Amino acid sequence: DAGITQSPRHKVTETGTPVTLRCHQTENHRYMYWYRQDPGHGLRLIHYSYGVKDTDKGEVSDGYSVSRSKTEDFLLTLESATSSQTSVYFCAIRDRQETQYFGPGTRLLVL
Amino acid sequence: TQLLEQSPQFLSIQEGENLTVYCNSSSVFSSLQWYRQEPGEGPVLLVTVVTGGEVKKLKRLTFQFGDARKDSSLHITAAQPGDTGLYLCAGDSGGSNYKLTFGKGTLLTVNP
Repeated sequence: DAGITQSPRHKVTETGTPVTLRCHQTENHRYMYWYRQDPGHGLRLIHYSYGVKDTDKGEVSDGYSVSRSKTEDFLLTLESATSSQTSVYFCAIRDRQETQYFGPGTRLLVL
Repeated sequence: TQLLEQSPQFLSIQEGENLTVYCNSSSVFSSLQWYRQEPGEGPVLLVTVVTGGEVKKLKRLTFQFGDARKDSSLHITAAQPGDTGLYLCAGDSGGSNYKLTFGKGTLLTVNP
């Protein structure tokens, strides 16, 4: 157990509304990642962070922003949700043995 | 962009059968990881292979990293219903920010 929690676990929202997903870790790992998982696409990296206030884009970053104001929290924001952002979102951390551990996921439905 | 091709995409077998899942790329990876994911949960790491030609065993699961570090395989002996799940391979290109490239996964169903 890498001490990763995600909130909310499920969310239904409407097109055009802002949505923020939270990832919280308890073990002070430097690297944190946000992925989305969709049928036929596998896991795709949205954004990642390599320290407080240090973030960078992944392969599918359009329409998403992130923030990391403290080590334990990594926030993913959909500024104006679209139906194409309906997905399951996973947060991950990288430990000192270079292994990524995943949170339980957030299932997001955009109507 | 590095790609990892996993095959087969779907696999349905009877309990007791053997199976192999493949993960192939034209790119070289510094390491490759295998995960298993069950419905409603996040992926869970099974193994990391680092050295070309490396073979690791985890009970009835055998993982192999290709000599050129471009491909990997997962072999399950005498599959059991508890092996049912989505198997994902992920390659680490060795960059400074440790980003993983994932295959699309193999959905394995083991029928009793």
